[in-house]
Amino acid sequence: QSVVSQPPSASATPGQRVTISCSGSRSNIGSNYVNWYQQVPGTAPRLLIYSDDQRPSGVPDRFSGSKSGTSASLAISGLQSDDEADYYCASWEDRLNGVVFGGGTKLTVL
Amino acid sequence: QLQLVESGGGLVKPGGSLRLSCAASGFTFSDYYMNWIRQAPGKGLEWLSYISSSSTTIFYAESVKGRFTISRDNAKNSLYLHMNSLRAEDTAVYYCARDPAGTGWFDPWGPGTLVTVSS
Repeated sequence: QSVVSQPPSASATPGQRVTISCSGSRSNIGSNYVNWYQQVPGTAPRLLIYSDDQRPSGVPDRFSGSKSGTSASLAISGLQSDDEADYYCASWEDRLNGVVFGGGTKLTVL
Repeated sequence: QLQLVESGGGLVKPGGSLRLSCAASGFTFSDYYMNWIRQAPGKGLEWLSYISSSSTTIFYAESVKGRFTISRDNAKNSLYLHMNSLRAEDTAVYYCARDPAGTGWFDPWGPGTLVTVSS
């Protein structure tokens, strides 16, 4: 079991808005930034959101991140078929002196 | 452009050793913290190790502490992972990734190299 938890799956139709949650504790999300990654099967992960809500250059503004307390969310609006991928949240874990990843959420675009 | 390329993966017997390399280009390697992350077949991402720009700070996940050693050669723009006492559960794709702020977010990632531990 991951220290940080995510729902294993999510789905929505093209054009809709979907949110993926990420739940942790005071020693990780509650006191450190949350980062989000997108991974299309067979490829390396790609950074989507860093420092809770910052988008790297090249990431569309359809992707947004937020955090409150020990939980965080990734929102994708105007869903497109090529958004179908696995999404991972991650945060520094103070008790382990390392990064912990959520178990990943498989997003299906119906 | 920013690029990381891992190499050194392959098939190794349980108890064996392997050294992975990560070649960096397109940025000043010596300025950045670097990390190794792995992904077992069909599983999620697992962070393994972190090394500061001057190698003064190093952290490991409990699952590899004492068996794996991270190192870097800034003159060669290269990151390494020395893996000893390999187990079947170490079978995974191993990624190197740059940590732009030293705070645990990774960008970019290399394409990964597959390590298979099997007799």
